[in-house]
Amino acid sequence: EVQLVESGGGLVQPGGSLRLSCAASGFTFRSYAMHWVRQAPGKGLELVAAISSNGNTTYYANSVKGRFTISRDNSKNTLYLQVGSLRAEDRAVYYCARGSIAVVAGIWHMDVWGKGTTVIVSS
Amino acid sequence: QSVLTQPPSASGTPGQRVTISCSGSSSNIGSNKVAWYQQFPGTAPRLLIYSNDQRPSAVPDRFSGSKSGTSASLAISGLQSQDEADYYCAAWDDSLNGPGVFGGGTKLTVL
Repeated sequence: EVQLVESGGGLVQPGGSLRLSCAASGFTFRSYAMHWVRQAPGKGLELVAAISSNGNTTYYANSVKGRFTISRDNSKNTLYLQVGSLRAEDRAVYYCARGSIAVVAGIWHMDVWGKGTTVIVSS
Repeated sequence: QSVLTQPPSASGTPGQRVTISCSGSSSNIGSNKVAWYQQFPGTAPRLLIYSNDQRPSAVPDRFSGSKSGTSASLAISGLQSQDEADYYCAAWDDSLNGPGVFGGGTKLTVL
């Protein structure tokens, strides 16, 4: 069964940091681009960061650039998101998603999603 | 304020055909392909349409997508009560708005 399981969320003080993880199973992890998408309470979806299948190319939303770092370990089938300098507006459910990115062809979509992990930023 | 513009709500009765619009610009929908996602409360999004009009194998053919210029649409025919959900469009954005952008979402109510 194709599965993504996120972990690492929790309550953190403003300015603090966390490392989110996403364990993948049931597919060839190293063949897919991976994403972190977040959803603040009652709000829509926001692409936070994405990474190419080999990890050589990363993409970040302007709102997190310089504060968040996406990475992957293809030997462990795991995706990571290091989140730092956290602000109240970073409070959200963070979803890990498998997908395709082909910038030249204009292709971008995510076909498998995890259940999400919640980050709460509060003092 | 989302980069892609969707109506906040839509509605229809069972059996009806409903369309949800998504408006963008030359840097996103105008030059890249559109995807659509369905989300039920408290659950993760699900891919409905990719590359403008392609359906994953598990998605019923009642769902269809189209694109013209800088706008896209999701059509749902034979509306069912279980289609009541939030729907989001998405596209890659080549401008400083990027990388990937979503619409604000449309809440579909089945009356």
